[in-house]
Amino acid sequence: EPEVTQTPSHQVTQMGQEVILRCVPISNHLYFYWYRQILGQKVEFLVSFYNNEISEKSEIFDDQFSVERPDGSNFTLKIRSTKLEDSAMYFCASSEGDFRLPPSLEQYFGPGTRLTVT
Amino acid sequence: KNEVEQSPQNLTAQEGEFITINCSYSVGISALHWLQQHPGGGIVSLFMLSSGKKKHGRLIATINIQEKHSSLHITASHPRDSAVYICAVGSYNTDKLIFGTGTRLQVFP
Repeated sequence: EPEVTQTPSHQVTQMGQEVILRCVPISNHLYFYWYRQILGQKVEFLVSFYNNEISEKSEIFDDQFSVERPDGSNFTLKIRSTKLEDSAMYFCASSEGDFRLPPSLEQYFGPGTRLTVT
Repeated sequence: KNEVEQSPQNLTAQEGEFITINCSYSVGISALHWLQQHPGGGIVSLFMLSSGKKKHGRLIATINIQEKHSSLHITASHPRDSAVYICAVGSYNTDKLIFGTGTRLQVFP
C-alpha cells in the first residue's frame, strides 16, 4: 500500500542552524501539507501546497519557514534559523486532488520527523 | 475557547468494553476527520465524514451536523486499540484542518 515517507526520523540541531525536513508524498497525490506537534500539545497546520505553490499558510509559518517541491517526488520544509521553540514533531501529509477542496479530502500522514533544537 | 473540543481527555477500559469518544466543534465544517496517533507518534487517518455514519471493522464514527458533534465508537476494545484519538475539522474556504487535543485511550487486558 502506498505511503508517505519522511526523513530523517529524528534530527538534532543547534539553535540558529538551518534544517531541511524531507517528505515523499504518495505518487499520484496533488495536495501536500506540513503540520507540527509540540510535545504535549495538539497538532497544528503549518502550510498547504498545490500546483507548485503555497496554497495556504498559518500564522506560525513565518519567514523562517519555506517549502519546496524540488523534483517530482520530494516535498521539503526548510527552517532557516532554528529556535528552541521549533522543537516539535513535524508531519507531512498528502491528498489526492479532485473537485473537492482539501478539508474534504482524506489526508495520508507520514510517520513524522522529531526535531530537537538545542 | 477551542474550536474543537474532545472528551474525555483520558480514558481507560478493560478489554472487550465498548468505547465512546466525543468531539464537539464550534465552526461550520465541510468534513470531520478522526485520526489515530500511536505511541511512537505516527498518525493514521481512520475516518473522514461529513454526514451520517461510517463503519470500519470495530470502529464506528457518527456525526450530527446540526448539533456540531461527532462520536467515535470502538466495539470489543482490545489492548492494541491503545492510542491517542484525534478529531480534526475542515471548514470551507480554507485548506487547514483544526485539531482537537486528543483523547488518550488505554485498554487493559
